[in-house]
Amino acid sequence: GAVVSQHPSRVICKSGTSVKIECRSLDFQATTMFWYRQFPKQSLMLMATSNEGSKATYEQGVEKDKFLINHASLTLSTLTVTSAHPEDSSFYICSAGGQGRETQYFGPGTRLLVL
Amino acid sequence: GDSVTQMEGPVTLSEEAFLTINCTYTATGYPSLFWYVQYPGEGLQLLLKATKADDKGSNKGFEATYRKETTSFHLEKGSVQVSDSAVYFCALSDRVSTLTFGKGTMLLVSP
Repeated sequence: GAVVSQHPSRVICKSGTSVKIECRSLDFQATTMFWYRQFPKQSLMLMATSNEGSKATYEQGVEKDKFLINHASLTLSTLTVTSAHPEDSSFYICSAGGQGRETQYFGPGTRLLVL
Repeated sequence: GDSVTQMEGPVTLSEEAFLTINCTYTATGYPSLFWYVQYPGEGLQLLLKATKADDKGSNKGFEATYRKETTSFHLEKGSVQVSDSAVYFCALSDRVSTLTFGKGTMLLVSP
């Protein structure tokens, strides 16, 4: 099956710094990538949808200037958490999709801890 | 808006026991329904799906039937194994390529 990787798997940073998370589709081209955020014992909450070569579409309540998403190629999307604060600490998961509503392949997630 | 409600865990069972994880949903239109599984340290994997009412999705001994009248998609397995220990997510898609997830249910199976 299709493989999606995320890097880093864990990151600890100081408050005020920016953190970049990469999501790569390793063996297929992803026209669409999705970024989710998961709090402990909570659902995966969709943050934004990105299509290669165009601006990301953010869900209501997600600050686009806080969470910068770039989908520069068909195999790479990045999420940058700018000026991170402790409340941004969470588990961030990406998925890469092709055609159809069920074809999303998920990465293993990145755990961010902001001190 | 769309939402998915699934039973809280953890669900703790002995090997070979019968499993049910309840899932109900609210949605406009006619969503597709999914169960995803997340094994420790791994990403979510699609377990099974159903795209219309009365469809039954099945995979690896797991089954779920799309019940429009009760807006449910309960996950069942007749005999669980230790290797089934994971977190299970019920999800729906009411728009092209967009998924709404439940909170997840952890399943722990002991030998």
